[in-house]
Amino acid sequence: EAQVTQNPRYLITVTGKKLTVTCSQNMNHEYMSWYRQDPGLGLRQIYYSMNVEVTDKGDVPEGYKVSRKEKRNFPLILESPSPNQTSLYFCASSLQGGQTGELFFGEGSRLTVL
Amino acid sequence: DQQVKQNSPSLSVQEGRISILNCDYTNSMFDYFLWYKKYPAEGPTFLISISSIKDKNEDGRFTVFLNKSAKHLSLHIVPSQPGDSAVYFCAATNSGTYKYIFGTGTRLKVLA
Repeated sequence: EAQVTQNPRYLITVTGKKLTVTCSQNMNHEYMSWYRQDPGLGLRQIYYSMNVEVTDKGDVPEGYKVSRKEKRNFPLILESPSPNQTSLYFCASSLQGGQTGELFFGEGSRLTVL
Repeated sequence: DQQVKQNSPSLSVQEGRISILNCDYTNSMFDYFLWYKKYPAEGPTFLISISSIKDKNEDGRFTVFLNKSAKHLSLHIVPSQPGDSAVYFCAATNSGTYKYIFGTGTRLKVLA
């Protein structure tokens, strides 16, 4: 089954404790991206990757890092989480991004930073 | 600066009637637009898209209209069904940037 898988789905952590949210897709998609969803703000793009070793900032990259060492994986790293990073996070992938395809989303990861 | 706006946070429609969800954008460089539906505790799922070279795209009960001069797009759902109750997001992108900008969403409730 074609899917985007995120882990963990739920996480409560404390300020400053590094964490990684993993994202994996099995569709051989070139394009992957991360979003956060906050009330009243919709979905905002954090980072995206056009292909292996090619990443770029979205609209809200501060406090996040990403890497794309393999085509299927695109982890989101919070080096020193803060309470304002409490949010619902979505990973998405697309065949090529832009006008060439729709985004396929994972089920989301709800992160709470205390 | 909100480049993609959905000014109606919520909408209620009777089953069988038409649902019209609206979206406005400010960036004239956007050339591809998408609509997503989101149920609670799930990721957004793709509904329908439209390229800026078209003004209409239809897929079953869903039709998206694009008015480039007004920088406005709308999603029509006919007939509306209770299973359509969800949050709907519009999104826009410029194919050269690979950035997707989403609106804030409209919660649609279809009443049986």
